[in-house]
Amino acid sequence: EPEVTQTPSHQVTQMGQEVILRCVPISNHLYFYWYRQILGQKVEFLVSFYNNEISEKSEIFDDQFSVERPDGSNFTLKIRSTKLEDSAMYFCASSYWTGADTQYFGPGTRLTVL
Amino acid sequence: AQSVTQLGSHVSVSEGALVLLRCNYSSSVPPYLFWYVQYPNQGLQLLLKYTSAATLVKGINGFEAEFKKSETSFHLTKPSAHMSDAAEYFCAVSDWSGKSTFGDGTTLTVKP
Repeated sequence: EPEVTQTPSHQVTQMGQEVILRCVPISNHLYFYWYRQILGQKVEFLVSFYNNEISEKSEIFDDQFSVERPDGSNFTLKIRSTKLEDSAMYFCASSYWTGADTQYFGPGTRLTVL
Repeated sequence: AQSVTQLGSHVSVSEGALVLLRCNYSSSVPPYLFWYVQYPNQGLQLLLKYTSAATLVKGINGFEAEFKKSETSFHLTKPSAHMSDAAEYFCAVSDWSGKSTFGDGTTLTVKP
């Protein structure tokens, strides 16, 4: 069964450093998402992406964040200058359509900012 | 704006007992509703979803949920809990764009 994959599984970085989290969505999916989950808290929407453009973004997704689909398979989330409060589990998801369509989640990348 | 409230951050049941996890939603448009399960150190797995078809939705692992518009609820149930059901459960509401808003989650503990 196709699945969403994410690398790395765990990333440790120093405050102020740039990180890139990588995701490989399911191959025929058209919509891509990033969510984050701070330890012990709810899952929060960050951004959705379709047709090489951001469709929607939350207040969390400020100028420090960017997303890109550099080739036909990868979908990346970049944090330019990490803060302590960026420490969280970051989930990538993909779906074929929006709305009612099932979003398939990857296993997540745990980001630790020191 | 859409929101989800999950009543009870922790629910404990005995093996074989009924599981009831509560979810209430708020949405300005007809909602798409989802229940996800998250096992420790894993991603989110879809249990079931409501997309304006049948109000009683059956999912995987014996779970089901009933959409009640008048009560703005989408409670998750399972007639008989198994030890393997112990996990974190999230209710979520999605709009047309696919943006999903999650509840705070409910940790289900199953006692032998």
